[in-house]
Amino acid sequence: SQQGEEDPQALSIQEGENATMNCSYKTSINNLQWYRQNSGRGLVHLILIRSNEREKHSGRLRVTLDTSKKSSSLLITASRAADTASYFCATGPSGGYNKLIFGAGTRLAVHP
Amino acid sequence: DGGITQSPKYLFRKEGQNVTLSCEQNLNHDAMYWYRQDPGQGLRLIYYSQIVNDFQKGDIAEGYSVSREKKESFPLTVTSAQKNPTAFYLCASIGTGDGTEAFFGQGTRLTVV
Repeated sequence: SQQGEEDPQALSIQEGENATMNCSYKTSINNLQWYRQNSGRGLVHLILIRSNEREKHSGRLRVTLDTSKKSSSLLITASRAADTASYFCATGPSGGYNKLIFGAGTRLAVHP
Repeated sequence: DGGITQSPKYLFRKEGQNVTLSCEQNLNHDAMYWYRQDPGQGLRLIYYSQIVNDFQKGDIAEGYSVSREKKESFPLTVTSAQKNPTAFYLCASIGTGDGTEAFFGQGTRLTVV
């Protein structure tokens, strides 16, 4: 069962533009994480936001979390061609186990 | 260097054969996971293990088996019962405690020939 659902499924922008991806989930969570995957590779952790946090920044990344709406957004500012990848949200459900459930991802293409 | 290693990178299987994918980590993580990824899709959980000698089925465990005899190792066997095994397989590990990130291997691409 998928917990996180990202939208849009695909996003195409020009270099320098901002990219916003959204994630919705269904159950209570301890934290929400965003990962990046380059084609044919493993996933790399980008940022984690806890359920008691509303916003977090890391470099050009800004993540927000709205637990009342069960949604999160990832903003990449001033995008670069090297940001082209798939981006996944993953939820760590409350209840003790660190079981991460991933959504289907957003495929981002940044054109020079 | 600490990390998580999957092998082989590419694997070809004849129909009716069992194959085993290796996953080793030296991060001293208790929890390990296997995910399956189909082209253009997200990750689906096959099996996970929180401690040695214990593991639980994920959402798509049918046709797969695992073992966790050592903390460092969590091999996945794709059995002949898995009718559509061609996919990209990802192994991950997570440390203990709330709010820790997952570390992923580079994946194994399995193809049935």
